[in-house]
Amino acid sequence: DIQMTQSPSTLSASVGDRVTITCRASQSISRWLAWYQQKPGKAPKVLIYKASSLKSGVSSRFSGSGSGTEFTLTISSLQPDDFATYYCQQYNNYPRTFGQGTKVEIK
Amino acid sequence: QVQLQESGPGLVKPSGTLSLTCAVSGDSISTSNWWSWVRQSPGKGLEWIGEIYHSGTTNYKSSLKSRVTISVDKSKNQFSLKLSSVTAADTAIYYCARAPYSGTSLNDVFDIWGQGTMVTVSS
Repeated sequence: DIQMTQSPSTLSASVGDRVTITCRASQSISRWLAWYQQKPGKAPKVLIYKASSLKSGVSSRFSGSGSGTEFTLTISSLQPDDFATYYCQQYNNYPRTFGQGTKVEIK
Repeated sequence: QVQLQESGPGLVKPSGTLSLTCAVSGDSISTSNWWSWVRQSPGKGLEWIGEIYHSGTTNYKSSLKSRVTISVDKSKNQFSLKLSSVTAADTAIYYCARAPYSGTSLNDVFDIWGQGTMVTVSS
């Protein structure tokens, strides 16, 4: 199975901060990576797919980059609604696998 | 709009079988989509369990394969999960999700999720 490792596990930031989350795959997944946002008690919601494509309706302050084994999710200016947990997920191989999550907390 | 809704018992006894159903509305289960099950243990991350296409083709996580069956009921526009020989380690929120198979840039991405249902394994 492809292991997805996110860093950091927890991130404390303030409104307006630029935030970057990293996701590493244990082997190359080309650009077959998605980012999800999950809020407490809710299902995950896709933000980014194919490493850098923004899902329709998602704020442009979210962006993704990377290919191969290294990927990043950037929030350009953190807003109150962005405090949540973020997961990366590869869909290059079966089984589909997720990172362990990065919780973005209020500083 | 497309909606998924999980249903099933919230409590299952150890060594028993967990059975859940996902009702699909706003879309036909016979369209070009993979229909998946994903679970999330309390305080932990997300784990893909498996998926089914309307033809009946399935893919399962290998470590669960011996205990998992996913099936589709086209007449009811729903799909189901059965997980046998459950233990406390199977206690989790179970989500059903849709991943387009073709015809969209979102192929293989979980673009629609159910709200999730909590299943506890306990005697």
